[in-house]
Amino acid sequence: EAQVTQNPRYLITVTGKKLTVTCSQNMNHEYMSWYRQDPGLGLRQIYYSMNVEVTDKGDVPEGYKVSRKEKRNFPLILESPSPNQTSLYFCASSWVFGTSGRKQFFGPGTRLTVL
Amino acid sequence: DAKTTQPNSMESNEEEPVHLPCNHSTISGTDYIHWYRQLPSQGPEYVIHGLTSNVNNRMASLAIAEDRKSSTLILHRATLRDAAVYYCILPGGYQKVTFGIGTKLQVIP
Repeated sequence: EAQVTQNPRYLITVTGKKLTVTCSQNMNHEYMSWYRQDPGLGLRQIYYSMNVEVTDKGDVPEGYKVSRKEKRNFPLILESPSPNQTSLYFCASSWVFGTSGRKQFFGPGTRLTVL
Repeated sequence: DAKTTQPNSMESNEEEPVHLPCNHSTISGTDYIHWYRQLPSQGPEYVIHGLTSNVNNRMASLAIAEDRKSSTLILHRATLRDAAVYYCILPGGYQKVTFGIGTKLQVIP
């Protein structure tokens, strides 16, 4: 089954404790992206990657890191989490080229709470 | 990056058609227009996309203005399961994607 998986689905942590949220897709998509969703602010893009070893900042990259060493994986790293990073996070992937026009497939979401 | 403008919320009666508008006046010639929806407690899911011509699929129809500066997502018979936030985006090119806050559709029984 074609899918985007995220782990963990729920995470409660404390300020300053490094964490990684994993994202994996099995559709051989070139494009992968991370979004955060907060009440009243909608979906905002954090980072995106057009292919392996190619990443770029979205609208809200501060406090986050990403890496794209393999095509299927795109982990989101919070080196020193702070309470303002409490949010619902979504990973997404898509093809870059072709008539699909970058139809994105989204993961189920990771709800992060930073105390 | 090209942006879209949508109403914050809309209401529809059950079993009536719904027309969700989107303005994208800065669209480029190669930008596809995509619509997604997000049901409560779920991730966004793809609904439909188009470039120039109107498009139909099992979920909805997409009507694109001739100048491509606006589009309308049409749900032919709204059901309670269609209550969601609907996003209109332009994900084309080597650029970041802006979703915004979308249109919250309320379906009244």
